[in-house]
Amino acid sequence: DSGVTQTPKHLITATGQRVTLRCSPRSGDLSVYWYQQSLDQGLQFLIHYYNGEERAKGNILERFSAQQFPDLHSELNLSSLELGDSALYFCASSVSGVNTEAFFGQGTRLTVV
Amino acid sequence: EDQVTQSPEALRLQEGESSSLNCSYTVSGLRGLFWYRQDPGKGPEFLFTLYSAGEEKEKERLKATLTKKESFLHITAPKPEDSATYLCAVPGSGYALNFGKGTSLLVTP
Repeated sequence: DSGVTQTPKHLITATGQRVTLRCSPRSGDLSVYWYQQSLDQGLQFLIHYYNGEERAKGNILERFSAQQFPDLHSELNLSSLELGDSALYFCASSVSGVNTEAFFGQGTRLTVV
Repeated sequence: EDQVTQSPEALRLQEGESSSLNCSYTVSGLRGLFWYRQDPGKGPEFLFTLYSAGEEKEKERLKATLTKKESFLHITAPKPEDSATYLCAVPGSGYALNFGKGTSLLVTP
């Protein structure tokens, strides 16, 4: 158990809908990272938050957004969902935002039908 | 652009047959090379971080080494429970990890 909690574990929704994925980082970790993993793309970095502030963006679509709250949990919002958004979404946390290992949650498997 | 390339894509070993996985990287100023293990449908599990050429780290049957251009994950006398995908990663410009596509390892009894 990495100490990073993601909910829900599975989510099935229809095209055009909006969903929210939740992540609770390890106790004491200030950084939260979101990744998308699909079969053909591998792990793709989406966005990084540090202590409530956005630090970096990766390959995140405009339909996706995220935030980190004062209690350091984070939410990833996916809207206007398309079939191609079906993937595993992982959250990871680390103590700081610099050169430290990140610990991953068990992921949310999103299926868009 | 920073890149991480892993080889081979897939590897099948007999139990006890040692081998090595390769991770080559092109970054401007390495700030750590990270190895993870991922089981199907699960989140990546942190294994090692290496920071400088010549550094080595070991954990059970795994040993990671680092040169200026690549890292190797040596697996000695593997067991079926070592079957997994092994991922390497380097920090990108924003410190988030950029991952390679991984090596899928299957160890048969």
